[in-house]
Amino acid sequence: DQQVKQNSPSLSVQEGRISILNCDYTNSMFDYFLWYKKYPAEGPTFLISISSIKDKNEDGRFTVFLNKSAKHLSLHIVPSQPGDSAVYFCAASEKYGGATNKLIFGTGTLLAVQP
Amino acid sequence: SQTIHQWPATLVQPVGSPLSLECTVEGTSNPNLYWYRQAAGRGLQLLFYSVGIGQISSEVPQNLSASRPQDRQFILSSKKLLLSDSGFYLCAWRRLAGLNEQFFGPGTRLTVL
Repeated sequence: DQQVKQNSPSLSVQEGRISILNCDYTNSMFDYFLWYKKYPAEGPTFLISISSIKDKNEDGRFTVFLNKSAKHLSLHIVPSQPGDSAVYFCAASEKYGGATNKLIFGTGTLLAVQP
Repeated sequence: SQTIHQWPATLVQPVGSPLSLECTVEGTSNPNLYWYRQAAGRGLQLLFYSVGIGQISSEVPQNLSASRPQDRQFILSSKKLLLSDSGFYLCAWRRLAGLNEQFFGPGTRLTVL
């Protein structure tokens, strides 16, 4: 059972436009959400996170929105740049700061930003 | 600052051979440590995690094992590799207390032939 779902395996966007990556989850106990960016043959890099007490978190060109009632979160990248081309993973955690914290990852969305 | 190392970067092994992948973390103490695998076209699957020396939790039954002989060292092993063990193996760390961000190493590409 996939508790974190990224239903779009790929997304293509023009440089300078907005990229919107979506993620859905099923476990209502998740209370912390993260986005990671991954280039081929490299480890994922932490991008941005949001706790369940917020509905928006912004960091430069990256904004994450959380809709708890819909169990949905999205990552907005504005403006998109060719260097943003990578696989983006959504992840969720059940215990905020707990000692045995585990992250549950989605299957990823490949973003291609066209020059 | 904290740094996480993994080696080797790539590995090609025959079926039935043993495996040892190593992960070390610098610049932090008593971290939580994790082993993940990314199979082709799949997401990140958690294999093992450790909250301290000698403490290992397994997430899925498999042909692999993990050990934590030192505070900042995490080892992934197998006695006999299977074809299905091929994949991209990632080690990650997290501070014991605080936010849930995990930080990943560069990964090891394992191909079992």
